[in-house]
Amino acid sequence: DADVTQTPRNRITKTGKRIMLECSQTKGHDRMYWYRQDPGLGLRLIYYSFDVKDINKGEISDGYSVSRQAQAKFSLSLESAIPNQTALYFCATSGDRGYGYTFGSGTRLTVV
Amino acid sequence: AQTVTQSQPEMSVQEAETVTLSCTYDTSENNYYLFWYKQPPSRQMILVIRQEAYKQQNATENRFSVNFQKAAKSFSLKISDSQLGDTAMYFCAFMNSNAGGTSYGKLTFGQGTILTVHP
Repeated sequence: DADVTQTPRNRITKTGKRIMLECSQTKGHDRMYWYRQDPGLGLRLIYYSFDVKDINKGEISDGYSVSRQAQAKFSLSLESAIPNQTALYFCATSGDRGYGYTFGSGTRLTVV
Repeated sequence: AQTVTQSQPEMSVQEAETVTLSCTYDTSENNYYLFWYKQPPSRQMILVIRQEAYKQQNATENRFSVNFQKAAKSFSLKISDSQLGDTAMYFCAFMNSNAGGTSYGKLTFGQGTILTVHP
């Protein structure tokens, strides 16, 4: 099994719909992150959580919300999806910060 | 806030040759980590190499090595003996290692460089 599992792998949704992207990890790490990837922009941080009770906004949090249900689970919600939220979304986790992140395999989200 | 810039949107190289990908960053921090990640067509993010800013010696991992110039805030990746499997998007990333700072523990990425290795 993968260390970080994201579901779904791909999703097409309609404008205005609520959608949840789920992430779970088996690394036992406290820190979890959500990023989105857009062509020419790299990966940008949406939200991050350094433990279950600590959730923080990243640089592009507008239009998104998160829930940290347990140490291992961190979900991202789009309350009312819009087309410019079409992107590749990554969940990641980290332990000792100096060793970088372990990423999930990404969720390709298309909003039509 | 930190910024990371990769000025080469696309690069290409012949199999078995050497290629260097560029990365510059801007920070006022003195202690930090730098990373290169590889994203093949499978879209998985794979850590290639990491560098600790307080170490002067350049990191090496098999065919991958970096040229870390702290004063110039430059962190380039050299791939030797390029292989077809090296074809991927490569991201440079920065992480502040100073606890208490607003950017502590968060990765900041560059825009990415698409590398194509030709047979």
